[in-house]
Amino acid sequence: DADVTQTPRNRITKTGKRIMLECSQTKGHDRMYWYRQDPGLGLRLIYYSFDVKDINKGEISDGYSVSRQAQAKFSLSLESAIPNQTALYFCATSDPPPGHNEQFFGPGTRLTVL
Amino acid sequence: KQEVTQIPAALSVPEGENLVLNCSFTDSAIYNLQWFRQDPGKGLTSLLLIQSSQREQTSGRLNASLDKSSGRSTLYIAASQPGDSATYLCAVLTSGAGSYQLTFGKGTKLSVIP
Repeated sequence: DADVTQTPRNRITKTGKRIMLECSQTKGHDRMYWYRQDPGLGLRLIYYSFDVKDINKGEISDGYSVSRQAQAKFSLSLESAIPNQTALYFCATSDPPPGHNEQFFGPGTRLTVL
Repeated sequence: KQEVTQIPAALSVPEGENLVLNCSFTDSAIYNLQWFRQDPGKGLTSLLLIQSSQREQTSGRLNASLDKSSGRSTLYIAASQPGDSATYLCAVLTSGAGSYQLTFGKGTKLSVIP
C-alpha cells in the first residue's frame, strides 16, 4: 500500500463550489504539506502543518483552508472554487529534525474548475 | 527570497550516455537539497537527499553533489536508459526560527532515446 494517499485522484467542479481534498499517510510523520503544481510555475507551497495543533500558511494560501484531523490526516479545502485554482495538487509528509526532513509525496489530485 | 534554477529545461540523449543535470540556488543558508523524479501526471519520487553538511550522495546509477558555497548541485546519471525519461526536480529547504521554506526548481525534462 502507498505510504501517502490522496482522494480524489481527479475532480471536475464548477466555479463557486466547495471542494475538499484529503490526504492520509502511514509513514508516522508529524509534518504534512499541501502543494499545487502549475505548468511553467513549478510546485508552490499552500499550507503546512508540523503537528496536529500546528497550521501555517505557505506561499499561496489565499482561497484555501486546511484541517489537520489527526497525525495521519491533512485535508485541503477550497471554499469557493475559481478557474485559476485548476491545477495538480500534491500532499507530502516529512520527518522533523533531527531527521533528514526528506519529503515524500502522494500521487496527486488533478482538479479542474470550470 | 530563495530562487532555484534548473538548466537545461529539457534534454534529449541517446541510450547509454552519461549525463549531468544542474541546479543552482541563490541563498546558500540551506538545510538540505533533494532531487526528485516526476513521471507525466504522477507524483514526485524522492531520488537523493543531501544534507547541508554533505558533499554528495549516491544511489545506484545516480550521484548528486552539493557545493553550498557556490549555490550549486548536480545530478549525474550514468549509462542512461529509456526508463530514466522523466522530469527531474531539485528542491532546497531553507529553515529558520519557526519558519519553513522548500523551494522547487521548474525541472529538467529528460528524454532518453533507445
